[in-house]
Amino acid sequence: DTAVSQTPKYLVTQMGNDKSIKCEQNLGHDTMYWYKQDSKKFLKIMFSYNNKELIINETVPNRFSPKSPDKAHLNLHINSLELGDSAVYFCASSQDRSRDYEQYFGPGTRLTVT
Amino acid sequence: GQSLEQPSEVTAVEGAIVQINCTYQTSGFYGLSWYQQHDGGAPTFLSYNALDGLEETGRFSSFLSRSDSYGYLLLQELQMKDSASYFCAGSSPGKLIFGQGTELSVKP
Repeated sequence: DTAVSQTPKYLVTQMGNDKSIKCEQNLGHDTMYWYKQDSKKFLKIMFSYNNKELIINETVPNRFSPKSPDKAHLNLHINSLELGDSAVYFCASSQDRSRDYEQYFGPGTRLTVT
Repeated sequence: GQSLEQPSEVTAVEGAIVQINCTYQTSGFYGLSWYQQHDGGAPTFLSYNALDGLEETGRFSSFLSRSDSYGYLLLQELQMKDSASYFCAGSSPGKLIFGQGTELSVKP
């Protein structure tokens, strides 16, 4: 059983399009995160949610809108895609906010904007 | 601001011991984590230090000194499969702040 899953694994799209990435965890965790990893492997927090509530928004452009329908799911919608959005996006979860040091990552979604 | 510094690359031979250092600048971290990431894979949690001192998990150990804003990951009995990127990450309320990663190459 996959602990943290993401779909799709690869996403190739053109500038200006809107796309979504879905994430689900079956670990029973309370807290979920989105990270962006650029071509130099720098891993940067974008958002974190605790029990469906947004707790961290790291000055991400408002073209990025996360949504958590329940605590097992955290989706990421991106409007008006730009070339600079090309990256690998990782979803992660932790048992709760106090255990944010131990996160379980999904396999990643490689987004390529042309 | 919050930042963590690591060497960008380290090379070692199979069977050797390697230490990956991490220095940080922040007053807000309450612990230091280490993650491993193989090419094309996801980061996986290795260890966490909340207190000063050494934590040992099999071949891997991690150390933290809060007074020096410094930590390291020690990998013993290196194996080829240990070739990967290693990230230190500072725990800040509700999030992790990652260093830029150290690419470890293990040679035969």
